[in-house]
Amino acid sequence: DGGITQSPKYLFRKEGQNVTLSCEQNLNHDAMYWYRQDPGQGLRLIYYSQIVNDFQKGDIAEGYSVSREKKESFPLTVTSAQKNPTAFYLCASSIVMIDEQFFGPGTRLTVL
Amino acid sequence: AQSVSQHNHHVILSEAASLELGCNYSYGGTVNLFWYVQYPGQHLQLLLKYFSGDPLVKGIKGFEAEFIKSKFSFNLRKPSVQWSDTAEYFCAVGLYSSASKIIFGSGTRLSIRP
Repeated sequence: DGGITQSPKYLFRKEGQNVTLSCEQNLNHDAMYWYRQDPGQGLRLIYYSQIVNDFQKGDIAEGYSVSREKKESFPLTVTSAQKNPTAFYLCASSIVMIDEQFFGPGTRLTVL
Repeated sequence: AQSVSQHNHHVILSEAASLELGCNYSYGGTVNLFWYVQYPGQHLQLLLKYFSGDPLVKGIKGFEAEFIKSKFSFNLRKPSVQWSDTAEYFCAVGLYSSASKIIFGSGTRLSIRP
């Protein structure tokens, strides 16, 4: 089955620790995205990548980092510098930018 | 700055009622338009999209949306809702520019009373 996988589904971390969220796609899409979803705020773009080895900051990149070493993978690291990291994180991909996006199931991160 | 507005944050309807969810955007250039739906416990998925051509587009599950360029709007409609339409609905706009991007609205939560 083609699609996007995110792991884990739930993640708990202590304050001050960095944590990496996984996102893998087998759709052969060039573009990949990370969003943060908070109640009443919709989806806010953290980072996006249009091609391997290239990525750009989105609207709320502070405290986050990404890499795109392989076409299929776009991991997101939530660093200790992110002031309010507890949230639901969604990964998505598309053939090209501003095309239809396909979403993963999300990871709910709770920082204690 | 470019933005997407969904003015209805929470809509409550009875089954068989008609639905219209508003979506307005602020951008004067060429756009791609999308409606996504997130059913409880499920992935965000595409409901319908508009790239060009007939401004009235039909999507899955009886939904449709109309692009009115002069009003910068892309409202979602369904003539008769069902309990299974309970979900969160997101409008998204793809902007054609030197730095193309997609902007999502804040979402509308739809609750259907059986």
